[in-house]
Amino acid sequence: QVRLQESGPGLVKPGDTLSLTCTVSGGISFQYWTWIRQSPGKGLEWIGNIYHTGSTNYNPSLESRVTMSIDKSKKQFSLNLTSVTAADTAVYFCARLGIKTSNALDVWGQGTTVSVSS
Amino acid sequence: NFMLTQPHSVSESPGKTVTISCSGSGGNIGANYVQWYQQRPGSVPTPVIFADDLRPSGVPVRFSGSIDRSSNSASLTISGLEPEDEADYYCQSYVNNTMVFGGGTRLTVL
Repeated sequence: QVRLQESGPGLVKPGDTLSLTCTVSGGISFQYWTWIRQSPGKGLEWIGNIYHTGSTNYNPSLESRVTMSIDKSKKQFSLNLTSVTAADTAVYFCARLGIKTSNALDVWGQGTTVSVSS
Repeated sequence: NFMLTQPHSVSESPGKTVTISCSGSGGNIGANYVQWYQQRPGSVPTPVIFADDLRPSGVPVRFSGSIDRSSNSASLTISGLEPEDEADYYCQSYVNNTMVFGGGTRLTVL
């Protein structure tokens, strides 16, 4: 059974880069992976997808600040979000787009809380 | 821009049936599959419907999904409401390789 675990700093200063990693226990190849965030008391916001080949798609509203990468040897994929502000404070989830569920997000990490504050 | 709009909240009594709508605008909701996620307080979202009307393994048959192309909307129906169904529900789809979520609906089981 695939499990996902997010890791990274819980506090980031305004203007700095937020960097998170998602570690996959199980197969990472031939799958799409994604980052989702949820601001306090708000809904779900898609950040972007990455395929095992490294191909990416980003939310147009965040595209200028987002970079995603994948390291199959470490079974990890990562998120970098530059020039963060308080509006980027959120719980960040990594998830898998399920092949057997027509790309529904069928496996989620537990989420990691990131606060942007000086 | 393609958007999915959901009611902010709905409420119903245990044992009753409730339907949550997800209205598409700026595009055709039927062009790609719609998924529905349940997020209980303090928990991670989990899918309850995928590919418009299919239930993942383990999801009760009380949960059903549908698409109405004439109104460009999707619906999640939960019958025989139980207290454990109280949660936030999100619809989700894709357009032009981007993922879109509805704003979420808070279901209260009175």
